[in-house]
Amino acid sequence: GNSVTQMEGPVTLSEEAFLTINCTYTATGYPSLFWYVQYPGEGLQLLLKATKADDKGSNKGFEATYRKETTSFHLEKGSVQVSDSAVYFCALIENNAGNMLTFGGGTRLMVKP
Amino acid sequence: DAGVTQSPTHLIKTRGQQVTLRCSPKSGHDTVSWYQQALGQGPQFIFQYYEEEERQRGNFPDRFSGHQFPNYSSELNVNALLLGDSALYLCASSWNERVFTEAFFGQGTRLTVV
Repeated sequence: GNSVTQMEGPVTLSEEAFLTINCTYTATGYPSLFWYVQYPGEGLQLLLKATKADDKGSNKGFEATYRKETTSFHLEKGSVQVSDSAVYFCALIENNAGNMLTFGGGTRLMVKP
Repeated sequence: DAGVTQSPTHLIKTRGQQVTLRCSPKSGHDTVSWYQQALGQGPQFIFQYYEEEERQRGNFPDRFSGHQFPNYSSELNVNALLLGDSALYLCASSWNERVFTEAFFGQGTRLTVV
């Protein structure tokens, strides 16, 4: 079956530091890949997405590139802010196997001033 | 434009009881999915409804059932509650023609079973 593996948190960074959150996936088909963010006490918000190999998703300074050869979709940001503190989830939908999102376990990011 | 709305926001139930959670999808969306998010974990897919029928189901027992109404809103019912059912229940809506692009999530219902 499909699965998503994320680096375990928490990840603690100082403001303006560079962020990388690793995500790798297993899928039998050709998935679409997503990063969702969950702020404290809230639901999930779509951060960015990529639907085919070599696509780069980007939003709010975050970006991730769909790497089929390494089955990865790592999230990066050049300069984090305190307001980026949240839990980040990598997820996939396999395009030929229904509409179910499969999520990773989440990575908590804490940014200190 | 209202996004996905869920009710109630918090709920406390006793073991063995039954619970109903409600979801109104984002305007223009016709597909509703439900997820269970245990504390400190990623969401797990329960099922999805489209055209008032369950289209896909995750690995959840039959105690979990649902319904979709003609206005696309949806309910999640859980019978014979167990302590392990305590979680954040998330509803997500999407447009059937674009299900592979993105789903919009509500803020969730926090269910506590005591």
